Amino acid sequence: GQQLNQSPQSMFIQEGEDVSMNCTSSSIFNTWLWYKQDPGEGPVLLIALYKAGELTSNGRLTAQFGITRKDSFLNISASIPSDVGIYFCAGRSTQGGSEKLVFGKGMKLTVNP
Amino acid sequence: EPEVTQTPSHQVTQMGQEVILRCVPISNHLYFYWYRQILGQKVEFLVSFYNNEISEKSEIFDDQFSVERPDGSNFTLKIRSTKLEDSAMYFCASSTGLSTQYFGPGTRLTVL
Repeated sequence: GQQLNQSPQSMFIQEGEDVSMNCTSSSIFNTWLWYKQDPGEGPVLLIALYKAGELTSNGRLTAQFGITRKDSFLNISASIPSDVGIYFCAGRSTQGGSEKLVFGKGMKLTVNP
Repeated sequence: EPEVTQTPSHQVTQMGQEVILRCVPISNHLYFYWYRQILGQKVEFLVSFYNNEISEKSEIFDDQFSVERPDGSNFTLKIRSTKLEDSAMYFCASSTGLSTQYFGPGTRLTVL
């Protein structure tokens, strides 16, 4: 089945630093979504991307939908302690009219104050 | 801001028992989903539901699972005879069909 490769798996950074993470796929997606999950809670949507090449910002977060439609990245600038959590990418393909999201394995972010 | 709600937050059950997990999707959404997340792993798709019927299901969603929209607001996931490996967080999500799916806080299911 479709799989997303998300990297890195974890990052330890100092408060104020920037962080980047990305997802790649062997198949084409027509939607990329980035979610953040805190322990014991559900994924919270951060950014949604719908068009190849699209670059979208949400505060200190910036995400891009790769031109090939097989990748996406998320940047967090000037990190703060509340950025701690697990960040997931998710992609959706319209193959066969599918609505399901395929998730990456997540990146655990630790921010040292 | 409207949100997806789920009850209970934690369900403990004995192996072989039936459980029903409940969700109230965002009110103007038409597409409903269940996902699960085994501890420490990624979120996995179970089933999507639209227009009162299942539109897609994964290989995980076998005959032991069923979904229902019993009224205009609730969306339920039933596991008929729970197994140890069903222990996981179960997330409900909903969307308008434009691909942005909003997730609930989850139900932690523990099967003993």
